[in-house]
Amino acid sequence: AQKITQTQPGMFVQEKEAVTLDCTYDTSDPSYGLFWYKQPSSGEMIFLIYQGSYDQQNATEGRYSLNFQKARKSANLVISASQLGDSAMYFCAMREALYGQNFVFGPGTRLSVLP
Amino acid sequence: GAVVSQHPSWVICKSGTSVKIECRSLDFQATTMFWYRQFPKQSLMLMATSNEGSKATYEQGVEKDKFLINHASLTLSTLTVTSAHPEDSSFYICSARDTKAGYNEQFFGPGTRLTVL
Repeated sequence: AQKITQTQPGMFVQEKEAVTLDCTYDTSDPSYGLFWYKQPSSGEMIFLIYQGSYDQQNATEGRYSLNFQKARKSANLVISASQLGDSAMYFCAMREALYGQNFVFGPGTRLSVLP
Repeated sequence: GAVVSQHPSWVICKSGTSVKIECRSLDFQATTMFWYRQFPKQSLMLMATSNEGSKATYEQGVEKDKFLINHASLTLSTLTVTSAHPEDSSFYICSARDTKAGYNEQFFGPGTRLTVL
């Protein structure tokens, strides 16, 4: 079974508007972490934001915020005030305490920001 | 943030040859490094976990005799693709965990694009 699901293969957003990228996950481990990475066409993985399973508040990092709904097992990424440079692949990933330190990545969402 | 480098950034080789990819943590020690493979338009798939001074742990379906991993020091892990074939053409990415930093700190290298002719 897929541990990380990203149902939006591609998304378009107008420059300066906000966009939400969906991520749902599946785990029975009570301790886990959720991550979002950006991968531009150059290929490097850029860390955006982290949410721990025990964190009470939603994580925020500048224009990025994570809408964490634990009961629904969702961890959506919200990008506010989109910029042209935000066009890239976005991956949601999970790391479970029971399974060591490696990540499980979702299939990704390609975001295109329109001028 | 910490820096992880990979060398080479891209390589083209003939079928049947072996290719070595290096992953270095430049300003921190990494007892554990991870190797991922990413095919075009797909996600990252973990190949193996590399532990300094011990044998790597391979994911199911990854041939350990084909993808040799050596983690000889706290700052260097190498992945050697032996007898490469066109189906091994892919983007290989390593990541490293900073031993002294928080549990959540893990840094990715820029990737190596392998093309096997």
